[in-house]
Amino acid sequence: EAEVAQSPRYKITEKSQAVAFWCDPISGHATLYWYRQILGQGPELLVQFQDESVVDDSQLPKDRFSAERLKGVDSTLKIQPAELGDSAMYLCASSHGMNTEAFFGQGTRLTVV
Amino acid sequence: DQQVKQNSPSLSVQEGRISILNCDYTNSMFDYFLWYKKYPAEGPTFLISISSIKDKNEDGRFTVFLNKSAKHLSLHIVPSQPGDSAVYFCAAIVGGSNDMRFGAGTRLTVKP
Repeated sequence: EAEVAQSPRYKITEKSQAVAFWCDPISGHATLYWYRQILGQGPELLVQFQDESVVDDSQLPKDRFSAERLKGVDSTLKIQPAELGDSAMYLCASSHGMNTEAFFGQGTRLTVV
Repeated sequence: DQQVKQNSPSLSVQEGRISILNCDYTNSMFDYFLWYKKYPAEGPTFLISISSIKDKNEDGRFTVFLNKSAKHLSLHIVPSQPGDSAVYFCAAIVGGSNDMRFGAGTRLTVKP
């Protein structure tokens, strides 16, 4: 069964360091999402791609966060510099078309110390 | 702003009984609604969905009801099983955009 792959599963980094997360969506899925989930809260949309184009990044803190999906397939989310408040689960999801369910990866648990 | 709201952070039910999880939304542009289930240290798993043109969708033990006029949907699980214990997220998609927003989640505990 096709899955959304994310790496790493866990990341511990010191504040002010750079950190990057990788996501490989299900093959053929044009829409890719990055969400951040803080413990006790729901996933918060950071950025949404349609193929290689950013559709919505209104919630992305652009002073320190960046995301790219250069060839419209896999994607990278970067934080530089990391802050203590960035500690969270970072979830990647993909979907095939409009008004369909999105499939999530297992997430990357980031701890900033 | 929180466009999708799950006002009950937790729910506890006895095995075999019905679990009812509620969700309210404010954005009238949402036209597709989903429920996800999440275990600790895993990503959310899709459970069931409903289009705004329907008021009910059923899949086995899971039924989702949509009341558009009240901007309210609910997930019914019957009978509830201990394996259903997880956090349940309500999500909604803005029509034509794939913009998907989540509620804060409800932790369901099903007691044997």
